[in-house]
Amino acid sequence: GDSVTQMEGPVTLSEEAFLTINCTYTATGYPSLFWYVQYPGEGLQLLLKATKADDKGSNKGFEATYRKETTSFHLEKGSVQVSDSAVYFCALSRNSNSGYALNFGKGTSLLVTP
Amino acid sequence: DAGVTQSPTHLIKTRGQQVTLRCSPISGHKSVSWYQQVLGQGPQFIFQYYEKEERGRGNFPDRFSARQFPNYSSELNVNALLLGDSALYLCASSLGAGADGKLFFGSGTQLSVL
Repeated sequence: GDSVTQMEGPVTLSEEAFLTINCTYTATGYPSLFWYVQYPGEGLQLLLKATKADDKGSNKGFEATYRKETTSFHLEKGSVQVSDSAVYFCALSRNSNSGYALNFGKGTSLLVTP
Repeated sequence: DAGVTQSPTHLIKTRGQQVTLRCSPISGHKSVSWYQQVLGQGPQFIFQYYEKEERGRGNFPDRFSARQFPNYSSELNVNALLLGDSALYLCASSLGAGADGKLFFGSGTQLSVL
């Protein structure tokens, strides 16, 4: 079945450091891919998405490119801020006769220190 | 506009009891989905409802049930609670049945089963 694997955390970075969070997926067909973020005490928020191969999703300085050849969707940011501290989830979508659902990875916790 | 609201925020039950969780979607949204998030894991899909009908069900036992009301709010019921049901239960709403990632999540109900 479909699955998402993302790098284990926690990831600790200093402010202004470069961030990469790896995500790979296994899926039949051509799913859409997403990054969600969960700030402390808040619900999940969609950070960015890509719906087909070679698409690049971007938002708030974060980027991720849908790489079909490597089945990857790595999240990157050039210069992280303390306010980026959160848990990041990679996910893929499944839209079938069983309804519409997101299949999430386990999440990667990011802590950015001043 | 109010976001997705869930109640209660926290709940403590004992094994064998039954619990009902409630969700109000964003105004105008007709689809509600439920996810279970066990500590340290990504959310797992439980149900999707659209226009008051079940559109999808994840790999959860029959102890889990849900319904959607004419005003599009929803309830998730869990019978015969087990210790393993302890988790954060997330509700998400979307405009249509196949939202392609544009799910808006509530902050969740934290259920503890003792």
